[in-house]
Order: sequence, then C-alpha cells, then structure tokens
Amino acid sequence: QKEVEQDPGPLSVPEGAIVSLNCTYSNSAFQYFMWYRQYSRKGPELLMYTYSSGNKEDGRFTAQVDKSSKYISLFIRDSQPSDSATYLCATGYGGSQGNLIFGKGTKLSVKP
Amino acid sequence: DTGVSQDPRHKITKRGQNVTFRCDPISEHNRLYWYRQTLGQGPEFLTYFQNEAQLEKSRLLSDRFSAERPKGSFSTLEIQRTEQGDSAMYLCASSYQGERGGYTFGSGTRLTVV
Repeated sequence: QKEVEQDPGPLSVPEGAIVSLNCTYSNSAFQYFMWYRQYSRKGPELLMYTYSSGNKEDGRFTAQVDKSSKYISLFIRDSQPSDSATYLCATGYGGSQGNLIFGKGTKLSVKP
Repeated sequence: DTGVSQDPRHKITKRGQNVTFRCDPISEHNRLYWYRQTLGQGPEFLTYFQNEAQLEKSRLLSDRFSAERPKGSFSTLEIQRTEQGDSAMYLCASSYQGERGGYTFGSGTRLTVV
C-alpha cells in the first residue's frame, strides 16, 4: 500500500461546478497536510496547508482533514477554467523530518 | 524576493555525461529540498538541507547523485554518468525551519537524457 493514495482522474467538470478532490493516507503519524496546484510544465504551487482535523477555508477553496479515517479533501467552489491543472495532496511527519510525501495528483479540467 | 529560482530550466544531455543544477531558495528560508518528478507522478523526495547540513537522503538517491549547499544559501544537485532513467523534472523547494506555512517550490529543471 502506498503511503498516499490519490485518484489520478482525469476529472472533467463544467464551469461553476463544485469540485471534490480526495486522498487517503496510511500512516497515522503524519502531522500536516497540504494541497498543491501544478500547471503543465510548472512547479507545484501551495494552495492550502493545515495541521489539524477539520476544515480550512481560503476563498473558493476548502481543505478538509479527517485524521480518524486518514482522509483529506479539497473542495473548489464555483470552478473556473483557470482552475484546470493537476492537484497534488501531500503530507509529512513534521519536526526534523523534511520528507513531504505526495499523491500522484488528480488532473482537473474545467470546461467553459 | 522572487521566490525559489532554478537554473537551467531545461537540460538535454547525452547518456554518460555529468550535469549540475542550481537552486536559489527564498532568502529567509533555512531549509532546502530536492524532489524529482516523472510524468504522471507526484514529486518524490530526494534530499534536504537545514542551513548547510544535509539532514536526510532518500534511498532513491543513488551514489551518482550528490547535493551540496555551501554556506547555507544556494544548492547544487549533480548527477554523474547520467542514464536515460534520470530523465525527469528536478524540483527544488524551500521552507523556514519546518513545514509551517508550507514548502515553496521552484519551476524546476527538466532533464532529458538521450
């Protein structure tokens, strides 16, 4: 079992739709969770970062972490064509361990 | 500050040649990370530095790979005797003392070994 599982998609939605992206992880020792957006041939761009279970909102984006079920989600409201990208979840142990562990990424396409 | 800068953006090299990449992190960040990403995969951790000390190396990092961060500022990643399997995007990221606030990535160096 991989440490972080993410459905690679592709996922195609119409403009304005609510998008739900999900990951599961296997190690309950993971302490923090991030979502990155990556456009083609670019580096990942940090969207959301959280330490705790619960929801964190930033504009049209909401990150949700459920540590009891080892499940993390990213919701995008009122999706736009500019949201078309690959979305990567990532997690790590924290402290002196610098290793961020990424999912494979989900490729999202928002159609006008 | 313009973020994390990587150079070159693209590199094509012949199998067996050595290549070196450079990363300039965000100036106030004391941690610097190298990742490798192949098509359709998420980034894979290679190594990281806190200041000038290399604190962690992945088992993926063969003896042909070496990284340095002299004086705790910029870093270089060298690959010796390149192989076709080394073709990938090499990403650098930086953060300030741990993960709070996330890691900031550069745009990467795309390596093609022919």
